[in-house]
Amino acid sequence: NAGVMQNPRHLVRRRGQEARLRCSPMKGHSHVYWYRQLPEEGLKFMVYLQKENIIDESGMPKERFSAEFPKEGPSILRIQQVVRGDSAAYFCASSRQTNTDTQYFGPGTRLTVL
Amino acid sequence: RKEVEQDPGPFNVPEGATVAFNCTYSNSASQSFFWYRQDCRKEPKLLMSVYSSGNEDGRFTAQLNRASQYISLLIRDSKLSDSATYLCVAIGNAGKSTFGDGTTLTVKP
Repeated sequence: NAGVMQNPRHLVRRRGQEARLRCSPMKGHSHVYWYRQLPEEGLKFMVYLQKENIIDESGMPKERFSAEFPKEGPSILRIQQVVRGDSAAYFCASSRQTNTDTQYFGPGTRLTVL
Repeated sequence: RKEVEQDPGPFNVPEGATVAFNCTYSNSASQSFFWYRQDCRKEPKLLMSVYSSGNEDGRFTAQLNRASQYISLLIRDSKLSDSATYLCVAIGNAGKSTFGDGTTLTVKP
């Protein structure tokens, strides 16, 4: 019974490159959430998705960031033209049914922008 | 003002002590509440759900006060292994989750 899977665990990019972060929810979970944690800061909500739908993206930066959760395959958080300020831990969480169910977190992807 | 506020601490307590954390939330429409712990900035792990009727799990007790819009976590008989950052979260009816910035606890021998 695998938990939430994220890959890669560590990602290094140079400024201007693209970063793609993947998240596979727990089996039976249809809700996915992305969070960002900057160094020495708290966990910040970015986006909430169900299969093929973005439900709430109020925490996503307006430019360069996008997320999807296709019918088949993992959820993807995509950051275009990365800048040093994007360096952070990106956590994905999933929940079973309703949007107020318990969320279970993946191990995170540590993004470093050189 | 932040939507969810926690005392950042740090709380430094001896083993065996009882320690309490509070967390206030500003969105009265929040539907559900949880406490998580985070170790060394690894992934947050669920500690317990929070209900108005209270929720107890061993040495941990969580409580929700909707009228005052705060939740609490009580840890009795602290262990060294309780040292971590404790995060409270309020979830709105549209699914958006708002975490507090966390309270750091260090339990010392």
